[in-house]
Amino acid sequence: AQSVTQLDSQVPVFEEAPVELRCNYSSSVSVYLFWYVQYPNQGLQLLLKYLSGSTLVKGINGFEAEFNKSQTSFHLRKPSVHISDTAEYFCALTINTGNQFYFGTGTSLTVIP
Amino acid sequence: GAVVSQHPSWVICKSGTSVKIECRSLDFQATTMFWYRQFPKQSLMLMATSNEGSKATYEQGVEKDKFLINHASLTLSTLTVTSAHPEDSSFYICSAPTGLSNQPQHFGDGTRLSIL
Repeated sequence: AQSVTQLDSQVPVFEEAPVELRCNYSSSVSVYLFWYVQYPNQGLQLLLKYLSGSTLVKGINGFEAEFNKSQTSFHLRKPSVHISDTAEYFCALTINTGNQFYFGTGTSLTVIP
Repeated sequence: GAVVSQHPSWVICKSGTSVKIECRSLDFQATTMFWYRQFPKQSLMLMATSNEGSKATYEQGVEKDKFLINHASLTLSTLTVTSAHPEDSSFYICSAPTGLSNQPQHFGDGTRLSIL
């Protein structure tokens, strides 16, 4: 079985400060990993993904994440956040890109002016 | 690029009403689509897998007769919430595999269902 854990349900951070949103996963087979952002009353927007290759992946809006197989982690980072980054962030995995996604419980990022 | 269109985006209706939500793949064919449900401040949970030309596969605990899924064509899947009650109020999102390496799945923008 597969699962995704996002330990931090809420992360407040001051504007222009760095942020890291943590994601750990569990799977007995190889996985593909994703980060999505969801603004209030909207759908999911893909931030970045790890399918293969370089373990450091860069996404939109200045976000990046590093796949660490030994620690089964895929933490999301941004060196300097903006007010507009305030949103809900979901880590997700799938074992096959045509299969269902398994989502973490989400992390609410609040950027404080 | 591949896009999934979900309609309607917001529905408010009375208890006992049946509500149909459409999920369309634009510019690509989707033999499979996934339906998720998201409760407020919670994550997305898979409800069912919609299969073109055959019966949907439901996750444990999801009532088949309550949430009717029809995948009649390669570009359209529908979710009908039958005799909806306030506890069915939620955010419903569909997704479809695109077959594209840069975005393997695309999610619809979701439907917020509010039952009064």
